[in-house]
Amino acid sequence: NAGVTQTPKFRILKIGQSMTLQCAQDMNHNYMYWYRQDPGMGLKLIYYSVGAGITDKGEVPNGYNVSRSTTEDFPLRLELAAPSQTSVYFCASSPRGRNNQPQHFGDGTRLSIL
Amino acid sequence: EDKVVQSPLSLVVHEGDTVTLNCSYEVTNFRSLLWYKQEKKAPTFLFMLTSSGIEKKSGRLSSILDKKELFSILNITATQTGDSAVYLCAANFGNEKLTFGTGTRLTIIP
Repeated sequence: NAGVTQTPKFRILKIGQSMTLQCAQDMNHNYMYWYRQDPGMGLKLIYYSVGAGITDKGEVPNGYNVSRSTTEDFPLRLELAAPSQTSVYFCASSPRGRNNQPQHFGDGTRLSIL
Repeated sequence: EDKVVQSPLSLVVHEGDTVTLNCSYEVTNFRSLLWYKQEKKAPTFLFMLTSSGIEKKSGRLSSILDKKELFSILNITATQTGDSAVYLCAANFGNEKLTFGTGTRLTIIP
């Protein structure tokens, strides 16, 4: 009963390094999302995807890139890590459809940029 | 700008007390309002509200939406230490995107 799986759980990067945060879901959901959550704050949408091959910017996309080559996977790429990207990153998914559907979240990746 | 505001930002009560958490929103093309509970890790889904005046209940938790006044409340009765968490409110404004509030941190003292 995996749901949404994020890897790694923790990572420390040096300024200027790059990395990819992985997200996979096994619920056959079409919609997937990446959020960041800074201390004491709500979740801010970085990028989202409504299906394989389709991605769109959210509220805070600068410094990030995404791809969606399959329904299951939605990786988030940081090309040049900056201290401002220190945060907890959550991936989420929801089913397709006109009816409202809640999003299901992964356990998060805690990322520190030093 | 789409906005979701939660109050209070934090709340400390004794076990057994009843609490009410507030969420107001200014969202164009409003579709629904969602409540999540966040402990140490992932937010977990509690309720989704789409219609005014219809209360949703799950055990000691209940929630209701007022679309005219643009707010929702989350009630927790007979609180327990396991209710300690951050409670997030989010509004859906189309294409399944969510706008989140900053959350209410609830602490239950035994």
